Amino acid sequence: GQQVMQIPQYQHVQEGEDFTTYCNSSTTLSNIQWYKQRPGGHPVFLIQLVKSGEVKKQKRLTFQFGEAKKNSSLHITATQTTDVGTYFCAGETTDSWGKFQFGAGTQVVVTP
Amino acid sequence: EADIYQTPRYLVIGTGKKITLECSQTMGHDKMYWYQQDPGMELHLIHYSYGVNSTEKGDLSSESTVSRIRTEHFPLTLESARPSHTSQYLCASRGGAYGYTFGSGTRLTVV
Repeated sequence: GQQVMQIPQYQHVQEGEDFTTYCNSSTTLSNIQWYKQRPGGHPVFLIQLVKSGEVKKQKRLTFQFGEAKKNSSLHITATQTTDVGTYFCAGETTDSWGKFQFGAGTQVVVTP
Repeated sequence: EADIYQTPRYLVIGTGKKITLECSQTMGHDKMYWYQQDPGMELHLIHYSYGVNSTEKGDLSSESTVSRIRTEHFPLTLESARPSHTSQYLCASRGGAYGYTFGSGTRLTVV
């Protein structure tokens, strides 16, 4: 079955530094979504990518969908303490329409 | 603002009790989902629904059941709670091709 892997599992970042988290699927995805979950909170939708090679930006966050639509990345520049949380990717395939497979998440800790 | 509501927010119950976790949304979304998540860990899909009278089991084996009699309401029932059911339960809905909207979750502890 479809598997979505995220790396790294944990990311310690110094405030002001950049980092990237990666999402890889064992199968071709029709689209991919990213979510952020603050400690003690619930996942909040950030963005959806649909097209091969698509790149979208939200302020300091840059999201990319691979050409083969099997991987994605989230890059955060100039990390702030407000970026603390767990970032999940979730992929949908044509076989699993309406049902997204979530990755295990990247837990981000920011050191002031 | 969240338009999907879960109750109770916290629940501590004894082993063997029957419980129902409530989830309601006011967005008119057809698709609704229940996920189980241990703190900071992966989300596991336990049930989903694509509309009234439509329910399916997810990837995680669960001793729970769901119903979808009304579009806005998607309750989850545990017939006999066990300590292994201790976790956070997240309800979500999705309209069209957008992302999931999650509720605030129910943190369940079975003692």
